[in-house]
Amino acid sequence: SQKIEQNSEALNIQEGKTATLTCNYTNYSPAYLQWYRQDPGRGPVFLLLIRENEKEKRKERLKVTFDTTLKQSLFHITASQPADSATYLCALRMDTGRRALTFGSGTRLQVQP
Amino acid sequence: GAGVSQSPRYKVAKRGQDVALRCDPISGHVSLFWYQQALGQGPEFLTYFQNEAQLDKSGLPSDRFFAERPEGSVSTLKIQRTQQEDSAVYLCASSRDSTYNEQFFGPGTRLTVL
Repeated sequence: SQKIEQNSEALNIQEGKTATLTCNYTNYSPAYLQWYRQDPGRGPVFLLLIRENEKEKRKERLKVTFDTTLKQSLFHITASQPADSATYLCALRMDTGRRALTFGSGTRLQVQP
Repeated sequence: GAGVSQSPRYKVAKRGQDVALRCDPISGHVSLFWYQQALGQGPEFLTYFQNEAQLDKSGLPSDRFFAERPEGSVSTLKIQRTQQEDSAVYLCASSRDSTYNEQFFGPGTRLTVL
């Protein structure tokens, strides 16, 4: 069956360190992968998109990698800040014909000051 | 407003009642999505509109769920004869057009069925 897995355990790190979150998927061939941030009581907010033919994407302190052989994406936040504390969701879109996103269950990041 | 808005933000229904949830997408956005999010889980796709056409309703869990977007802007998700398992946050998202990939989400409606 198709699955998207994110570490369900919260990730606790110290301010200033790099946070690395993992998204693994099975039995998918996604056209692209997205990362969203979700704060309590709010809807997800788009952060980054990476396509199947791209290895890496950067935006300010954020970096995403996409390995279609390993079926894995890594999401990095460098120089993390307490304001980065939130749940981070990865989402796959399967092909250009179907618009729906399939989300993982998210990983909660807690950055300690 | 500049973002996606949803109303009501909170809804409590007795089992068996019908509910209607409203979504106001970003003005001019062609694509509109509904998702259901259970506690501690990621959003799960329900249905997708391109303008007023409902192009994908494969995620609707039963025929008690119905969505419409008659004029290609505001959308309503209706749940008939609500059940306790319908309790969740219902998220609406819009996207600029059918090729633009970023989705803008509303704050969601938290539905509690007693």
